[in-house]
Amino acid sequence: AQSVTQLGSHVSVSEGALVLLRCNYSSSVPPYLFWYVQYPNQGLQLLLKYTTGATLVKGINGFEAEFKKSETSFHLTKPSAHMSDAAEYFCAVSGPGGYNKLIFGAGTRLAVHP
Amino acid sequence: SQTIHQWPATLVQPVGSPLSLECTVEGTSNPNLYWYRQAAGRGLQLLFYSVGIGQISSEVPQNLSASRPQDRQFILSSKKLLLSDSGFYLCAWMPSATEAFFGQGTRLTVV
Repeated sequence: AQSVTQLGSHVSVSEGALVLLRCNYSSSVPPYLFWYVQYPNQGLQLLLKYTTGATLVKGINGFEAEFKKSETSFHLTKPSAHMSDAAEYFCAVSGPGGYNKLIFGAGTRLAVHP
Repeated sequence: SQTIHQWPATLVQPVGSPLSLECTVEGTSNPNLYWYRQAAGRGLQLLFYSVGIGQISSEVPQNLSASRPQDRQFILSSKKLLLSDSGFYLCAWMPSATEAFFGQGTRLTVV
């Protein structure tokens, strides 16, 4: 079975500071990994995903994530936070075979203060 | 083009009333469909998935049920809502393990 753990349900950063949201996964098959963002009262938007190939993945809005198999991690980073980055972020995992289920972490709410 | 529709967007229902949320997909056939719920302060929990007409798998025991009456239609139902059924419900379609499309979601408040 696959699972995702997001460390820190709430993260607060200053505008301009580094954003680091942590995600660790468990999977018995090579994982496909995703980061989604949910703005207040809206649906999910894909930030980036890792399937195969380059382990450093660049996404929208200046975010990037690195797949580290040895650490079973897929942490999300952004060099400089903007006020507009305040939202809830979800890490998710799926894998080949089975029924393509997408399993989400519990989410991390990012607050950005001036 | 391929799209996924989910309605209604918001819903306020009294305790004990029935529920029916509908999700439809366009531009594909035999899609894998999923229902997720996000309760207040919690993450997205997979409730049900379906790989074809009449084929439903439940991920967690609960007060809800799902049905797949047509190839591109996935319905989430309840005979009697509980306060704990309040939350944000999302329908999803996954053409493959590396791609997912989501509906706009339904915010359900049970009062």
